[in-house]
Amino acid sequence: DAKTTQPPSMDCAEGRAANLPCNHSTISGNEYVYWYRQIHSQGPQYIIHGLKNNETNEMASLIITEDRKSSTLILPHATLRDTAVYYCIVRLYNNNDMRFGAGTRLTVKP
Amino acid sequence: GAVVSQHPSWVICKSGTSVKIECRSLDFQATTMFWYRQFPKQSLMLMATSNEGSKATYEQGVEKDKFLINHASLTLSTLTVTSAHPEDSSFYICSVAGRGASNQPQHFGDGTRLSIL
Repeated sequence: DAKTTQPPSMDCAEGRAANLPCNHSTISGNEYVYWYRQIHSQGPQYIIHGLKNNETNEMASLIITEDRKSSTLILPHATLRDTAVYYCIVRLYNNNDMRFGAGTRLTVKP
Repeated sequence: GAVVSQHPSWVICKSGTSVKIECRSLDFQATTMFWYRQFPKQSLMLMATSNEGSKATYEQGVEKDKFLINHASLTLSTLTVTSAHPEDSSFYICSVAGRGASNQPQHFGDGTRLSIL
């Protein structure tokens, strides 16, 4: 699976959009980009995933660059409860393994 | 998404005892279950992958005789930490995946915090 690179930490003001970047420059054509988050002392929570098109659901939007070498997770109106570690993971289509990197610790401040 | 239940959520026991952790998929046929371990301030590390009805595949460095995994049904997998020692204290998390499109996300349990005294 391709490796991902994320900033170790980010801050965001409550009510503002949180934009979390992820680099996956070695991604291959059949690998999907997944985003999970982990709130302290809980299991990871699935947020969104995509292949090459931008995706949106009730939690977030995922923007994938045309060359697929990077992506951005957008939380449109961050709340204090969005404070968590966010993981960007690239996974092979036919491989169920999920390998977690260090992630980005997002702190939403009042 | 799938509902995954882990039990117990927290366990404290003496060194040398064995501890069994259950992972149940409540509304989903989990053909594959994964077990992860997470030490404080670190990321999740995959320990093993288990497919229903077959032996688990362990990651390099994970002792299969220490961490026994049983995946006897499509809704239940168990991880037994045998002869646990303080260094086995960690947060253990399971996840489930099913048949069909393998681009579907895994769903995780809420984890079991294991403390060995």
